[in-house]
Amino acid sequence: KNEVEQSPQNLTAQEGEFITINCSYSVGISALHWLQQHPGGGIVSLFMLSSGKKKHGRLIATINIQEKHSSLHITASHPRDSAVYICAVLTQGGSEKLVFGKGTKLTVNP
Amino acid sequence: NAGVTQTPKFRILKIGQSMTLQCAQDMNHNYMYWYRQDPGMGLKLIYYSVGAGITDKGEVPNGYNVSRSTTEDFPLRLELAAPSQTSVYFCASSYRTGGNGYTFGSGTRLTVV
Repeated sequence: KNEVEQSPQNLTAQEGEFITINCSYSVGISALHWLQQHPGGGIVSLFMLSSGKKKHGRLIATINIQEKHSSLHITASHPRDSAVYICAVLTQGGSEKLVFGKGTKLTVNP
Repeated sequence: NAGVTQTPKFRILKIGQSMTLQCAQDMNHNYMYWYRQDPGMGLKLIYYSVGAGITDKGEVPNGYNVSRSTTEDFPLRLELAAPSQTSVYFCASSYRTGGNGYTFGSGTRLTVV
């Protein structure tokens, strides 16, 4: 079983819809990252969370440490939001490492 | 401020050839990383460095070597390329491990035939 599981794997939405992408993890973590990978391949860091909630524009990320779960929400989705969204956790311990989920491919149709 | 610069963007290698993927950052980050991304899989850590002169293996180091002679540069060397090394390679850097502000390069798509 992967240490980081994302759902869904693929998601298609109509422009304007509210989007939720989920991330569950099975290890102790220091922090959780949400990343966006554009169709051209570049990867951009969206959020780093260790508790609670963060908001940037139409993007909202939440984390529940007790339930080992995080969600990424996109409000009023737009075709330019089409990308792969990747959850990555920073594992606890002497040698901290990022462990990545497989990603959720989001397509927003006009 | 260029961030993380990776070269080349694309490369086709024949089995048994060698090459070096270049990575440079201009943010004075201590930590640098090399990942590979295979279709349908999460990024896997190949090697990382916590500062000039210090490198360590990640999850999938076999077939690769790295060096970190300066803070800015972290090249990845492939010796005796194999088809299993066909992948997209990303270099990344951060001020400290796990800290906010992971910056990724644009990736190198490598095909070994």
